[in-house]
Amino acid sequence: EVQLVESGGGLVQPGGSLRLSCATSGFSFSNYAMRWVRRAPGKGLEWVSGISGSGASTYYADSVKGRFTISRDNSKNTLYLQMNSLGAEDTAIYYCAKHLTTPGAPFDHWGQGTLVTVSS
Amino acid sequence: YVLTQPPSVSVAPGETARITCGGASIGSESVHWYQHKPGQAPVVVIYYNSDRPSGIPARFYGSNSRNTATLTISSVEAGDEADYYCQVWDSNTDLVFGGGTKLTVL
Repeated sequence: EVQLVESGGGLVQPGGSLRLSCATSGFSFSNYAMRWVRRAPGKGLEWVSGISGSGASTYYADSVKGRFTISRDNSKNTLYLQMNSLGAEDTAIYYCAKHLTTPGAPFDHWGQGTLVTVSS
Repeated sequence: YVLTQPPSVSVAPGETARITCGGASIGSESVHWYQHKPGQAPVVVIYYNSDRPSGIPARFYGSNSRNTATLTISSVEAGDEADYYCQVWDSNTDLVFGGGTKLTVL
């Protein structure tokens, strides 16, 4: 059974940093592209960042480019998102999602999400 | 690339719900649909325009033509109440979600 379990969310002050993790199991992690997708309160889904299976290619939404860094450790089957210079607009539930195959393919599995709250 | 969905759709139980997703020449793209209930992980209900993942009831049907993709849910049940999102991947703009449609079962 495919499982994606996010962690690392919490309350952080504006300008602060957080590192999210997504522990995976039940599939050959290194073979699949992954993304982080968020949903802010009262808003819709927004993709944040993506990474190829090997980690060689990364993708960022304009709203987070230069502030967030996605990475993966294929030996640990874990996806990461380093978030710096956080602002109130980054408050959201962050989900990790597995692509069916490549970064252009649909998501076939999602985690339950981890809540990030940016507030003083 | 912009995908436009109606903010809300309301139907009575047993009726048919149609949720649209508008985009320029979207008929030439592959459209995927996700169901998102509060407190739960999103679930793909239709991918590649009309394919249904295993476990998704046949009541869920997808179509895509010209400038509009449509998710049709027949014989709507109370458990179908959720937010629904269309999504495409475009080689120029990468991944795009529609704004989402809240389906209310009256």
